[in-house]
Amino acid sequence: QGQLVDSGGGVVQPGRSLRLSCAASGFSFSNYGMHWVRQAPGKGLEWVAVISYEGRLKFYADSVKGRFTISRDNSRNTLYLQMDSLTVEDAAVYYCAKEGMAMAGPNYFDYWGQGTPVTVSS
Amino acid sequence: DIQLTQSPSFLSASVGDRVTITCRASQGISNYLAWYQQKPGKAPKLLIYIASTLQSGVPSRFSGSGSGTEFSLTISDLQPEDSATYYCQYLNSYPLTFGGGTKVEIK
Repeated sequence: QGQLVDSGGGVVQPGRSLRLSCAASGFSFSNYGMHWVRQAPGKGLEWVAVISYEGRLKFYADSVKGRFTISRDNSRNTLYLQMDSLTVEDAAVYYCAKEGMAMAGPNYFDYWGQGTPVTVSS
Repeated sequence: DIQLTQSPSFLSASVGDRVTITCRASQGISNYLAWYQQKPGKAPKLLIYIASTLQSGVPSRFSGSGSGTEFSLTISDLQPEDSATYYCQYLNSYPLTFGGGTKVEIK
């Protein structure tokens, strides 16, 4: 019953910024940790970042640490990913994903957004 | 960081076959493993979590097993709609790494 809708992707030049959004519905958004996962063209899945249900804890993949910022607005049921200093290696489809267990530590993803593509090109 | 190695990377099988995909962890991870199915142009779909628990709505021909460093996903009675890429994922601490994927083709 849960639904996640990703948006905000597009074409951006190297070194520029982009902000992705993920609108959630059909579940108690404020009770679940949320993640971003990306997939470069023709490649596998890469976990990017997580934010805890209340927004207090955040962790990042080494490949994006210091450049990407995950955040959430529980009043708007929306997850964000601010991506700065983008490089060609960041080009991918970005998915938001919901944890399956509420208010828990790291766990599986039971709902995924449809993905939003990011192209980094001059 | 935990590394997950899937094998094979590609397999081709016939409808009705039983196929098994293996996922090996670089160190013991108890049963903190999930399996996902991804079809081209679509988001991944959760199949199995905590190594062997079938997600609601997933057909019973899918099963997971294993603990420690070696895990497997088995599809019994392979169906045409099972053509997809399958990924394992480590669950217990960050980074939540994924295996490299196994593409399953129906002959």
